[in-house]
Amino acid sequence: NAGVMQNPRHLVRRRGQEARLRCSPMKGHSHVYWYRQLPEEGLKFMVYLQKENIIDESGMPKERFSAEFPKEGPSILRIQQVVRGDSAAYFCASSPSGHMDLFLSTQYFGPGTRLTVL
Amino acid sequence: TQLLEQSPQFLSIQEGENLTVYCNSSSVFSSLQWYRQEPGEGPVLLVTVVTGGEVKKLKRLTFQFGDARKDSSLHITAAQPGDTGLYLCAGTTSGTYKYIFGTGTRLKVLA
Repeated sequence: NAGVMQNPRHLVRRRGQEARLRCSPMKGHSHVYWYRQLPEEGLKFMVYLQKENIIDESGMPKERFSAEFPKEGPSILRIQQVVRGDSAAYFCASSPSGHMDLFLSTQYFGPGTRLTVL
Repeated sequence: TQLLEQSPQFLSIQEGENLTVYCNSSSVFSSLQWYRQEPGEGPVLLVTVVTGGEVKKLKRLTFQFGDARKDSSLHITAAQPGDTGLYLCAGTTSGTYKYIFGTGTRLKVLA
């Protein structure tokens, strides 16, 4: 019973390049959430997606960041023209259901992708 | 802005000691989760609590949700080196799915 999978685990990019982070939710989960964790800080919500839909992207910067969760394949968090301030751990979480059921909406986290921008 | 404050921020204790970690807010939460995170890894779910006054036990760990659903505590009995890690509380408010994470408690248990 595989958990949430993220790849790559570590990603190094130079300023101005693009970063693509992938997340495969747990089997049977159709809700995906992305969070960012800066060094020595807590996790901050970025975006919530269901299959083919962005439900809430209020925590995601409006410039350079985008997310998708296609009908087939993993969810992708894309950061264009990366800057040093984008260096962080990016975590994906999934849940079997949305917020209407408090237990079924419990979020399970992947191991994260650590992005370093040189 | 909803905040979850955790205390203490850092805790270093000897193996066998007991400890309590607190998670406090001025907001009411409809659910609250506790996670443990190890360096280089993602948060691992320990428990979900949803009812005010609820107490859940997981081996040597006891979790309590405050009656008013504004605070929670995690008590560890006879701590072991394997309990070392970053403990995070995370809550959701009514009608939302965004987790608001606490500031974290970094626990180190010395053998």
